[in-house]
Amino acid sequence: ETGVTQTPRHLVMGMTNKKSLKCEQHLGHNAMYWYKQSAKKPLELMFVYNFKEQTENNSVPSRFSPECPNSSHLFLHLHTLQPEDSALYLCASSQVTHSKGTPYGYTFGSGTRLTVV
Amino acid sequence: KNEVEQSPQNLTAQEGEFITINCSYSVGISALHWLQQHPGGGIVSLFMLSSGKKKHGRLIATINIQEKHSSLHITASHPRDSAVYICASAGQNFVFGPGTRLSVLP
Repeated sequence: ETGVTQTPRHLVMGMTNKKSLKCEQHLGHNAMYWYKQSAKKPLELMFVYNFKEQTENNSVPSRFSPECPNSSHLFLHLHTLQPEDSALYLCASSQVTHSKGTPYGYTFGSGTRLTVV
Repeated sequence: KNEVEQSPQNLTAQEGEFITINCSYSVGISALHWLQQHPGGGIVSLFMLSSGKKKHGRLIATINIQEKHSSLHITASHPRDSAVYICASAGQNFVFGPGTRLSVLP
C-alpha cells in the first residue's frame, strides 16, 4: 500500500448506470488528483483539488463529476458513460505549499480499472 | 506547451543487462519525476530530480537541465524490473511522457 487507497479495483458498468470511484489518502497531503490512462496513451490529468478546492478541470465531459468532501477523500461520480471511457482511473495525492505551488511527495493509488459495456 | 518524449518505446533485455531509458522535454522545468507502473496499473514514484544524479539500489537517474534531458539506468536488470517506466515533468501539474515498456527475460 502506498498510502493512497482506491476502491473498487475493478468496475464493470453499463452505459446507463451511475457509479462512484473512491480515493482515500492517509499521508496528510493537501492536494488530490484524478488521472485517466487509456490504452496506449499517456496519463491524462482530469481534476485537481488543492486545499479541497477544485483548481483544474482539463476539459473533462460532465458525465464525470468529482467531489472532494475533505482533504483525505476524493470521489469521481460516473453517469451515462460511453465505451470509450473504459480506462484505468488513477488517484494521486501530494503536498503543496499554496494553491499554485509545485507539488511534492507525489503518491499514486493502485487505480480502478473501469470497463463500460 | 511542454512536451515530454521517451525512448525507446519498448525494450527487451536479458537478465543482468544494463538498461538505459531516455527522456527529453521541450521547456524548462523545475524538476522531473521517474515513475514505475506495474502490470496491474499501480504507479510508484522512483525519483524526483532537479539536478545531477540520484541513486537508489540498482536504479540511477540523471538529469541535464541545459540539454533538457534525463536518463534512467538499471544495473544488473532482473525480471521483476519488467514494468512501464514513465518520466514526467513537474510544474504545478505533471506532463507525462508516453512511457517505456521494459521486459527483462530470465
